[in-house]
Amino acid sequence: GDSVTQMEGPVTLSEEACLTINCTYTATGYPSLFWYVQYPGEGLQLLLKATKADDKGSNKGFEATYRKETTSFHLEKGSVQVSDSAVYFCALSDAGSNYKLTFGKGTLLTVNP
Amino acid sequence: DADVTQTPRNRITKTGKRIMLECSQTKGHDRMYWYRQDPGLGLRLIYYSFDVKDINKGEISDGYSVSRQAQAKFSLSLESAIPNQTALYFCATSEPGQGLDTQYFGPGTRLTVL
Repeated sequence: GDSVTQMEGPVTLSEEACLTINCTYTATGYPSLFWYVQYPGEGLQLLLKATKADDKGSNKGFEATYRKETTSFHLEKGSVQVSDSAVYFCALSDAGSNYKLTFGKGTLLTVNP
Repeated sequence: DADVTQTPRNRITKTGKRIMLECSQTKGHDRMYWYRQDPGLGLRLIYYSFDVKDINKGEISDGYSVSRQAQAKFSLSLESAIPNQTALYFCATSEPGQGLDTQYFGPGTRLTVL
């Protein structure tokens, strides 16, 4: 079945540091890949997505590239801000699972001023 | 107003009590989902519904039931709550089509079973 493995946290960075959160996946088909973000006290919201190999999703300064050869979708940001402190979830969906989302366990990011 | 709302936002109950968590959406989506979130375990799917007449079990449906009263409403029930059902519960919606797999989440219900 489908699975997502993401970097365990917590991750603590200083403001303006570079961020990478690793995510790899296993899927039987050709999944779409997502990063969701959960700010404190809120539900999840879509951060970015990519639907085919070599696509790059981007939003709010975050980027992730769909790498089929390494089955990865790592989240990156060049300069984090305190407001980026949140839990980040990597997820996938594909036709084989009727487009239900499979989530990783989440990575807590704390950015200090 | 929020597109996906959940009530209550917080609930403390006792072992053995029946609890209902409600979800309403104004997005007009056919698909609705219930998840639970536990620290270190991510989100796990409890039940999902692709339309009013279609209800499906997720990976952890034991101890839970659902009702899809209308396109806009999807309720989750715990018939006899137990302490290991203490968790954060999320409702989500999605719409078939080009954005088929983008889900929109409610703010969550924090449930504590004593």
